[in-house]
Amino acid sequence: RKEVEQDPGPFNVPEGATVAFNCTYSNSASQSFFWYRQDCRKEPKLLMSVYSSGNEDGRFTAQLNRASQYISLLIRDSKLSDSATYLCVVNMGGGSYIPTFGRGTSLIVHP
Amino acid sequence: GAGVSQSPSNKVTEKGKDVELRCDPISGHTALYWYRQRLGQGLEFLIYFQGNSAPDKSGLPSDRFSAERTGESVSTLTIQRTQQEDSAVYLCASSPQTKLAHASTDTQYFGPGTRLTVL
Repeated sequence: RKEVEQDPGPFNVPEGATVAFNCTYSNSASQSFFWYRQDCRKEPKLLMSVYSSGNEDGRFTAQLNRASQYISLLIRDSKLSDSATYLCVVNMGGGSYIPTFGRGTSLIVHP
Repeated sequence: GAGVSQSPSNKVTEKGKDVELRCDPISGHTALYWYRQRLGQGLEFLIYFQGNSAPDKSGLPSDRFSAERTGESVSTLTIQRTQQEDSAVYLCASSPQTKLAHASTDTQYFGPGTRLTVL
C-alpha cells in the first residue's frame, strides 16, 4: 500500500460546481498535512495547511479525519483558474523530516 | 523577498556527460530538498539536507547522483554520465524547519525547477 494515495482523476467539472478530493495516508503517526497546487509545467505551491479542526480559506475548505486517515479538499464555486493538479502532502512524523507527496489529482474546470 | 531560485532553467546535454544543477534556497532556511519529476508523474524524493548535512540520501537513484550543500545555503545536484532516463524536471525546495527533534510542520517553498533533457 502506498503511503499517500490520491485519485489521479481527471475531475472534469463546469464552472460554478463544487468538487471534493480525498487523500488517504497509511501512517497513523502522521503529524502534518498540506494541500499543494501545481499548474502545468510549474512548481508546486502551498494551497493550504490542514489542521485537526479543519480550515477554510475563501472557496477552499480542508478537513482532516484521523480516525479514517484521510484528508479532504473541497472547492466551491469552481473557477476556470482552479484547473490544476492538487497534491496531498503528509509528514509522517516519528523523526521523519521528509514530507511525502501524493501523485496528485487533476482538476479541469470548463466553461 | 526572494524565493528559491534554480539554475539553469533548462539544460540539454548529451548522454554520458556530467551536469550540475544549482539551488539557492530562501535565506535562513535550514532544510533543503531535491526532487525529480518526470513528465506526467509525481514528485520523487531524492535527498534532504539539514544545514550542510544530508541525513537521508535514500532517494538518490544511483551512485551517478550526488549532492552537496555549503554554508547552509547553496546546494548543487550533480549527475554523472547522464542517461536518457535522467530527463526530468529537478525541483529544489527549502523550509525553515526550526524544530530539529520533531517532525517538520513547516511549509516547503519550491524553486521553478531545472528541466533536464538528455539526448
